[in-house]
Amino acid sequence: ETGVTQTPRHLVMGMTNKKSLKCEQHLGHNAMYWYKQSAKKPLELMFVYSLEERVENNSVPSRFSPECPNSSHLFLHLHTLQPEDSALYLCASSQGSGENEKLFFGSGTQLSVL
Amino acid sequence: GNSVTQMEGPVTLSEEAFLTINCTYTATGYPSLFWYVQYPGEGLQLLLKATKADDKGSNKGFEATYRKETTSFHLEKGSVQVSDSAVYFCALRGQGAQKLVFGQGTRLTINP
Repeated sequence: ETGVTQTPRHLVMGMTNKKSLKCEQHLGHNAMYWYKQSAKKPLELMFVYSLEERVENNSVPSRFSPECPNSSHLFLHLHTLQPEDSALYLCASSQGSGENEKLFFGSGTQLSVL
Repeated sequence: GNSVTQMEGPVTLSEEAFLTINCTYTATGYPSLFWYVQYPGEGLQLLLKATKADDKGSNKGFEATYRKETTSFHLEKGSVQVSDSAVYFCALRGQGAQKLVFGQGTRLTINP
């Protein structure tokens, strides 16, 4: 148990559906992240929130929409996804900066887009 | 830009075998280097790290040495266990508190 909880663990959705992924951290961290993990590809950083403000958006398509209502919660809203968006979506949180920064990951949501 | 290249898996070994997972990197300046491990059904966890050239990170019997001359950070373990079966990610953080850049991961399976 790392203190970062993601729900749901698995999600199957059609291309016209709207769904949301949820992440909650109980560690008192001030930064939260969404990563995409696809087979045989580097882990991709999607979004970074620091003190509830989005500080990084790595050219992610607009069909992915993040939301950070407070420092403990992070959402990823999904709309009209494509089959190539099927992947494991990982949430992470951290405190500190530079060499002292350490990421704590959740177990991920395995997303399948049909 | 910064990047990390890992040996392509999957890697399958027998228990007590010697393990090497290769990792090379491209970065300007002096990055910090990391190995993360992802056990089945779990998120990534920091396994070990090294922050300057010739440093050796170690944890749970795993070791990796920061080799600037070969831009490498290979992961090694002398005698693997079934419980070491996982996906291993090499990563770097560039100078100046930049975000982590990960490799594609190497799936390791250890058979009894």
